[in-house]
Amino acid sequence: SQQGEEDPQALSIQEGENATMNCSYKTSINNLQWYRQNSGRGLVHLILIRSNEREKHSGRLRVTLDTSKKSSSLLITASRAADTASYFCATALYGGATNKLIFGTGTLLAVQP
Amino acid sequence: NAGVTQTPKFRVLKTGQSMTLLCAQDMNHEYMYWYRQDPGMGLRLIHYSVGEGTTAKGEVPDGYNVSRLKKQNFLLGLESAAPSQTSVYFCASNDGGQQFFGPGTRLTVL
Repeated sequence: SQQGEEDPQALSIQEGENATMNCSYKTSINNLQWYRQNSGRGLVHLILIRSNEREKHSGRLRVTLDTSKKSSSLLITASRAADTASYFCATALYGGATNKLIFGTGTLLAVQP
Repeated sequence: NAGVTQTPKFRVLKTGQSMTLLCAQDMNHEYMYWYRQDPGMGLRLIHYSVGEGTTAKGEVPDGYNVSRLKKQNFLLGLESAAPSQTSVYFCASNDGGQQFFGPGTRLTVL
């Protein structure tokens, strides 16, 4: 069963707008990661936030983590057409020694030029 | 560095045929993983390895076998392919934090 569930499943915005995607998970985690996948390609790591962190930034990306609500959000500011892709959250479970990740089902983001 | 590479990129099999997918990484990572990705299902872990000579089952291991004879290679085998194994297969390696993915193998089983 999936640990992470992304919301919304699909999102369409205009270039320049901000895009927000949410992820909810079920069990305690070591960290939560966000990945991007362009159509027909492999996943690319975007950002990792540890369980003791609440917010992290990387360029136009902002990730928040609320462990009490077991949820995370990814904000992409000033979106570009090139941001069109699927975005997945992935959780590394607490106490895991295998570095396994459990992926959600993803949010498909379409940025219209 | 080539990162994580996968061969082949595409393959069509008939039901009952066997094949091996090869994953190679040049980053000296201990951890390696095989996933399958199906529409609307995200990525599901098939098997993984925490080091040379080790393998373990993931979420959906049935119908697959793996081997990690060398640290840099992780092989995924299908002994008797079934149409339900039609999917895109991704290999990944891990540096203790993020995972690095290969470009994928698109497999169709007729």
